Amino acid sequence: AQTVTQSQPEMSVQEAETVTLSCTYDTSESDYYLFWYKQPPSRQMILVIRQEAYKQQNATENRFSVNFQKAAKSFSLKISDSQLGDAAMYFCAYRRETSGSRLTFGEGTQLTVNP
Amino acid sequence: KAGVTQTPRYLIKTRGQQVTLSCSPISGHRSVSWYQQTPGQGLQFLFEYFSETQRNKGNFPGRFSGRQFSNSRSEMNVSTLELGDSALYLCASTPLMMNTEAFFGQGTRLTVV
Repeated sequence: AQTVTQSQPEMSVQEAETVTLSCTYDTSESDYYLFWYKQPPSRQMILVIRQEAYKQQNATENRFSVNFQKAAKSFSLKISDSQLGDAAMYFCAYRRETSGSRLTFGEGTQLTVNP
Repeated sequence: KAGVTQTPRYLIKTRGQQVTLSCSPISGHRSVSWYQQTPGQGLQFLFEYFSETQRNKGNFPGRFSGRQFSNSRSEMNVSTLELGDSALYLCASTPLMMNTEAFFGQGTRLTVV
């Protein structure tokens, strides 16, 4: 079974600084997708960024980028120029190529942004 | 385009009762998945429906069931509620193409007393 681990229950960052959230996963599959979702106090899960396992290039979305290390099964999220609105719970998620839409989530990292 | 709509937003039930939660996916999305979120267990997959058929099922007891209608709207039902069923229930919809992300609703907060 696939597992996703986020070893940092809480992280904090100063506004305008950079922070990196860690995620590791375990799978025997070669084709899969990885995601970072953000869950603010409103509780709605919002996609931050996604990465296809077959792509070697790391995904980037504005201030958000990932460091995808397939061999190490590591998928970290870097948030640059942190803003107060980035404060939320962040979840790393895994989806197999052949498992329909089923997502396996990590435990989450609560990010606090200090002004 | 309207997002994923879950109703009701909040619900309080008594132990032993049953409850039905509803999810309307984004128009054109045919896959609907349900997740249970609790502080202790985190986010756990319940089941997925695609074209009115259950395609995936998580490790939950038979008290948890679901269905999907021809318009892709989905319902999940929990019978004989237990205190431990108190949770945020999230619904996610996904379009036909698999190389894309799931879109989530705001969830239904169920409290069992």
